[in-house]
Amino acid sequence: GAGVSQTPSNKVTEKGKYVELRCDPISGHTALYWYRQSLGQGPEFLIYFQGTGAADDSGLPNDRFFAVRPEGSVSTLKIQRTERGDSAVYLCASSLRGVSLGDRSSYNEQFFGPGTRLTVL
Amino acid sequence: AQRVTQPEKLLSVFKGAPVELKCNYSYSGSPELFWYVQYSRQRLQLLLRHISRESIKGFTADLNKGETSFHLKKPFAQEEDSAMYYCALGAGGTSYGKLTFGQGTILTVHP
Repeated sequence: GAGVSQTPSNKVTEKGKYVELRCDPISGHTALYWYRQSLGQGPEFLIYFQGTGAADDSGLPNDRFFAVRPEGSVSTLKIQRTERGDSAVYLCASSLRGVSLGDRSSYNEQFFGPGTRLTVL
Repeated sequence: AQRVTQPEKLLSVFKGAPVELKCNYSYSGSPELFWYVQYSRQRLQLLLRHISRESIKGFTADLNKGETSFHLKKPFAQEEDSAMYYCALGAGGTSYGKLTFGQGTILTVHP
């Protein structure tokens, strides 16, 4: 079946503008994650959804960043008043479920999308 | 706090040589460790996880809690192993699934 998809693949915007990045997870996956990858760095966790709710948003850098997943499927990462430092590749991942049910062997693999490259001029 | 360190940004070996990509972690709980790989122009994908103790594409990794390490090894590198490799640490509790990644190591296998 189709993997995780992200749109747009590239986004160029000007400092101060608002942007939305979209993630379509694998059908049936209840857990969805957003990561940010700056040049030369590994992915950095932003937020994790279990269903429609944000189970952990501790990675969002400040209140300019917000994410929603209103129907428990597609998610949108929203960035207000973009800054040059927001330039990065934004990765989305989904897994069948996120919260461990106590069976440590049942970790659910995260499947990553291709990412959206955001450039803030 | 969780931290993953991959001390080598670049690693070059010749085909057929052994390869070891180093990973050290810092975590106060019981860790879940993974290796992810990203081949050229492909998306990030899981290579292996410590809990399943599997060997994928000839790679193995052993969790050493005493040394807080999870080094990735392969006895005979192949050209197709050239890629970016990330070590990642999974948190427990309600944040289970949240991954902390290292900076990555670019492996180049020369013919």
